[in-house]
Amino acid sequence: GQQVMQIPQYQHVQEGEDFTTYCNSSTTLSNIQWYKQRPGGHPVFLIQLVKSGEVKKQKRLTFQFGEAKKNSSLHITATQTTDVGTYFCAGLCHAGGTSYGKLTFGQGTILTVHP
Amino acid sequence: NAGVTQTPKFQVLKTGQSMTLQCAQDMNHNSMYWYRQDPGMGLRLIYYSASEGTTDKGEVPNGYNVSRLNKREFSLRLESAAPSQTSVYFCASRVRGSENSPLHFGNGTRLTVT
Repeated sequence: GQQVMQIPQYQHVQEGEDFTTYCNSSTTLSNIQWYKQRPGGHPVFLIQLVKSGEVKKQKRLTFQFGEAKKNSSLHITATQTTDVGTYFCAGLCHAGGTSYGKLTFGQGTILTVHP
Repeated sequence: NAGVTQTPKFQVLKTGQSMTLQCAQDMNHNSMYWYRQDPGMGLRLIYYSASEGTTDKGEVPNGYNVSRLNKREFSLRLESAAPSQTSVYFCASRVRGSENSPLHFGNGTRLTVT
């Protein structure tokens, strides 16, 4: 079945440093979504990438989708304490001839930011 | 709008006990999902309902059953709880399962089985 691997599992940074998490799929994806989960909270949708090579920005966050649509990354510039949490990627791969696609989540990267 | 509401928030069960986790959404979404979250494992899909009247197994369905009661409600039942089912359970919904729509998650149920 489809697998989505995410690295690193943990990342500790000093406030102001940059942070990147990477997502790799065993199969070509239709799209990829990114979610953020604050400690003790629930995942919240951040963004979706659909096109090969797509790059999207949200303030200090930059999301990229690989040319082959099998990998993606999230980069945070100049981290702040409010960035603390777990970041998940979730890939959508259409299942054969059916129109229903299932999201497969990566394991998540836990980001801690030291002030 | 409440979004996705899960009950209870916390639960402790003894091995062999049964319980039902409740989930309701008020966004008129067609598709609903149950995930479990364990450390280092990400979110794993237990069951989903692409539309009212249908349910299907996800990645880790063993030990669970579901009921899509109506368009709003999707419940998850543990018939005989086991320690391996200690986890955080999230219900989620989205507009249509076949499209590129985001998942909206509830606040989760933290379940401990002793």
